[in-house]
Amino acid sequence: GAGVSQSPRYKVTKRGQDVALRCDPISGHVSLYWYRQALGQGPEFLTYFNYEAQQDKSGLPNDRFSAERPEGSISTLTIQRTEQRDSAMYRCASSPRGRLAGRPGTYEQYFGPGTRLTVT
Amino acid sequence: AQSVTQLDSHVSVSEGTPVLLRCNYSSSYSPSLFWYVQHPNKGLQLLLKYTSAATLVKGINGFEAEFKKSETSFHLTKPSAHMSDAAEYFCVVSDSSNDYKLSFGAGTTVTVRA
Repeated sequence: GAGVSQSPRYKVTKRGQDVALRCDPISGHVSLYWYRQALGQGPEFLTYFNYEAQQDKSGLPNDRFSAERPEGSISTLTIQRTEQRDSAMYRCASSPRGRLAGRPGTYEQYFGPGTRLTVT
Repeated sequence: AQSVTQLDSHVSVSEGTPVLLRCNYSSSYSPSLFWYVQHPNKGLQLLLKYTSAATLVKGINGFEAEFKKSETSFHLTKPSAHMSDAAEYFCVVSDSSNDYKLSFGAGTTVTVRA
């Protein structure tokens, strides 16, 4: 079956513009995650959804970053008034974990190919 | 809080020789530990995971890792490297307080010499 897809794969934008990054999770996966990966670093957690509810947004760097998942499927990460320091790979993941999951950590997060954002 | 330290940013091995990627972790609660691999222009793929069952974990493509609580380590090994193992490898930890939040190490790039 299809894996996690992200679009666009590459995005170049000018400083000050808004960008929207899309994530389409694996069908039926209830949990969705966003991570940001700077060059030479591992991914860092941004935010997490369970169905349509944003459960944790503690990793969002500032209020220019927001995310939504209105119907519990596709998610959009929006960055307003982009800055050069926002340049990074943005990765989305999904997992089949549900609200009443058992032992945490047993569910694999399936990652998409990422969106490479460059702010000039 | 949880974190991981990958002790080598780059490892170079000859094809057919063993591979060792070192990882130390820090976690306040019972950790789950993972190794992910990233091939160029591909998404991250799970190699193996430890979630408090057997301390020696076998994964895909002949990789295995051993959880050593006394040493807070989770090193990844493979007896014989193949050219297709050239990739970037990430050691990852989550703990029971925030099990959904994966904390990645900085990664180890593996090159395989013919």
